[in-house]
Formats: sequence, structure tokens, C-alpha cells
Amino acid sequence: SYELTQPPSVSVSPGQTASITCSGDKLGDKYVCWYQQKPGQSPVLIIYEDSKRPSGIPERFSGSNSGNTATLTISGTQAMDEADYYCQAWDSSTGVFGTGTKVTVL
Amino acid sequence: QVQLVQSGADVKKPGASVKVSCKASGYTFTGYYMHWVRQAPGQGLEWMGLINPNSGGADYAQKFQGRVAMTRDTSISTAYMELSRLRYDDTAVYYCASGFYGSGSYRFDYWGQGTLVTVSS
Repeated sequence: SYELTQPPSVSVSPGQTASITCSGDKLGDKYVCWYQQKPGQSPVLIIYEDSKRPSGIPERFSGSNSGNTATLTISGTQAMDEADYYCQAWDSSTGVFGTGTKVTVL
Repeated sequence: QVQLVQSGADVKKPGASVKVSCKASGYTFTGYYMHWVRQAPGQGLEWMGLINPNSGGADYAQKFQGRVAMTRDTSISTAYMELSRLRYDDTAVYYCASGFYGSGSYRFDYWGQGTLVTVSS
């Protein structure tokens, strides 16, 4: 089955840039979404089709996808961005989520 | 505004079945596929399957085939997910999620609040 691998954790200082990778076989051939989940809350869509932001999502969130790796970038990270982040793609009509990355804002 | 409101928490014994509901409002229920995603305590997200509310046709992740059934009642804009032969490792928060389909893939714009299902003897 298809797998998406993310680093378990990323630490970032306030105002700095955080990058979260998502790796999968030929991932660049698929569209990737990113979801943010804060403790006790439902996930929130923050990036779809690799790099598009839904209405209401701040511009500091951006995405890219090429080769075997998709990347979520948080520019000017704020304390409120501390959360778990999941990438997600479709393979053979099956939804696949990444392993998840906990972002800590130090 | 779009809302997905799920049924409340439930406790089941191993071997039993559980049925979770998800009532949609604020959009045309039959216009968007409904997906189910679960999350075990302290773990990541896991896609379980989807249902086309218009036709009733469903597609399940291989892991759950034979044990899950997704149905809907269009008269009350509600989708259901029933999981049978419950095991301890089915203890999780179950989410319904819906959203747009574009460029060959679905995305989950809207999520329910989650339903905690606990499997315990």
C-alpha cells in the first residue's frame, strides 16, 4: 500500500520559517493536501492541490510538490501555528494520510 | 454555513457493532461525497472510505472491507458509518468529512466534530 512519510517533529522560533516534508513514491504526480490539527479539535484544510489556500487561510502557509517530496512551509511562524500537520494524497482511489508532524513553536 | 454534526460518544464491547451518524447542513447534501476518517488515541489520521450521497454507492479502504458499511438518508441529509466485529484497536475518534472534488482528487473542506468510540469489555 502507498505510504506518506513525515518527520515526527519540527521546532521553530517565532517569526522564523518552518518546513515540513512529506515523502512518497512519485508523489509529485499526485495532488497533495495539508491539514492542521490542534489538540482536541478536528483537522482543518490549509493547502489543497499542492499549493492552493482555501479562503481564510493565512498567506504564511504555502505548499509545493515535486519528485517524491511535498513541502509545507510556514513563513513568519506564530505561536498559534503550534499543531500537528498531516499531508494527504490519493492513490488508486484510496485516501492516504501522512504520518503527521508536530510543530513546536519555541 | 456548512456544518457536519455527528452523534455522541459510544462505548461498545468487543465483537459488537457501532453506527455513527453525521448530519449535514448548509449545503446540498447530495452534491458532495462524504468521507469517514478515524484517529486512534495519540495516533494519526486514517481514511476509511467514502459514500456518494446521491447514488448511495460506497468505496472502502481495503483494511475495512467486510467490516464497514457506509449509508445515507437523503431525506434528513445524514450519512452513517457502521463498523462491525469491533476490536480493542478500533477505539478511536471517528470523523465525517466532506468537500470539493477537483483535478482528480477530493479534499476535505468540512469536518464533523468527531465521535469517540471506545471498545471496552
